Order: sequence, then C-alpha cells, then structure tokens
Amino acid sequence: AQSVTQLDSHVSVSEGTPVLLRCNYSSSYSPSLFWYVQHPNKGLQLLLKYTSAATLVKGINGFEAEFKKSETSFHLTKPSAHMSDAAEYFCVVSDGNNNDMRFGAGTRLTVKP
Amino acid sequence: DADVTQTPRNRITKTGKRIMLECSQTKGHDRMYWYRQDPGLGLRLIYYSFDVKDINKGEISDGYSVSRQAQAKFSLSLESAIPNQTALYFCATSDLAAPYYGYTFGSGTRLTVV
Repeated sequence: AQSVTQLDSHVSVSEGTPVLLRCNYSSSYSPSLFWYVQHPNKGLQLLLKYTSAATLVKGINGFEAEFKKSETSFHLTKPSAHMSDAAEYFCVVSDGNNNDMRFGAGTRLTVKP
Repeated sequence: DADVTQTPRNRITKTGKRIMLECSQTKGHDRMYWYRQDPGLGLRLIYYSFDVKDINKGEISDGYSVSRQAQAKFSLSLESAIPNQTALYFCATSDLAAPYYGYTFGSGTRLTVV
C-alpha cells in the first residue's frame, strides 16, 4: 500500500521569500502524485499533479513540484510567497487504483508580512 | 452553483443522535467518496461508491453508513453519534480518470458532537 509523509506540519515564511513544502511518498507501483490546497473554511482545491509525464510539474498560482523517483519525493515550491498563499497543503499519492488515494497529514503555511 | 454541494455546512448534535450529511454533484461523475479530516491526520476515507449499486468501506467505516440515492447524490449517516466523530467531513467525486486528474471536493461539513 502506498503512503505519503509530509515532513513539516507547519512552515512559516515572509512574504516575497521562497516556499518549500516537503513530501516523501511510498508506492509499490508508478504513482500519481497530487498537491491540494485548503484555504480556511474552504474545500480542497487541486494545485498540481504528476502522472508520469514531465517530472517538473507546474500548477496554479505559481506553484510547481518536482517528482524525484530516486529520492521518492514530490516537494512543492514557489519562488515568492504571497499573503494569499497562507493555507493548508496536502500531498496525495495514488497507485492508479481509484479508491486508494492516500493523503498526507498536511502542512500549514503561514506567510508573514 | 458549486460542482459538489454539501449540506449542512455546520452541525452541532448530541451524543446518541442520528444525523445525515448530504452530498450532491453536478459533475456527472460516477464515483463519489466520503472523507473525514482531523487535525494532524489529513483526510481518511470512510466510504466510496463507484456507481449507484456499488458501495465500499474505506479505512474508517465503523460507526458510519452511506446511501447512494442516485448518481448525483451520496449521503453519509451517523446512526448514533459519539464525540470522537467530531470532525470536518468532505464529499468528493471523480470519474474513471481520477488517478490522473484527481478529485473534486465539496466545501465540507463541520460536525460537532457534544
């Protein structure tokens, strides 16, 4: 069974500085990987996805993530944080079996002025 | 209108009461899911349904039941609510391509059991 570990429960950055949210995964098969964002009192919104095409994936709002098979990682980055990026971020792994998408515990991103 | 609508948005109920959370979707997706979210635990799957006649337990189905009334409707019931079922509940939908395109989530129902 696959699993995902988000290495930081909370990340705090200053506005305009880079963001790095770390995710490691475990999967027996070629995984699909996703990042979702949850703003306060909102549902989950898909940021980006990796599905065995290009290893560097670009998403919405300037976010991107790189799939590194040798490191079993899928870290989320953004060059310059904006106040509106403050939210909770979830890394998700799927092995292609539709009912088995595993969520990480989440990383709360705080952006300081 | 939202693609996936959950009602109610917030609910406070007493221990032992029966409560139903409802989910409806306009995506035309066959597959629907119920998750609960707890701080520090991410989202965990309660039940899922691949079509109206197909319902399956997820990893934490004890204490819950579901009903798939139509392709567009999937409800979650707590037959006798207990305080540790206090959580944020999400409904999600997908089509066959979900492993490649992900899920569409509702806005969630915040349930408090006192």
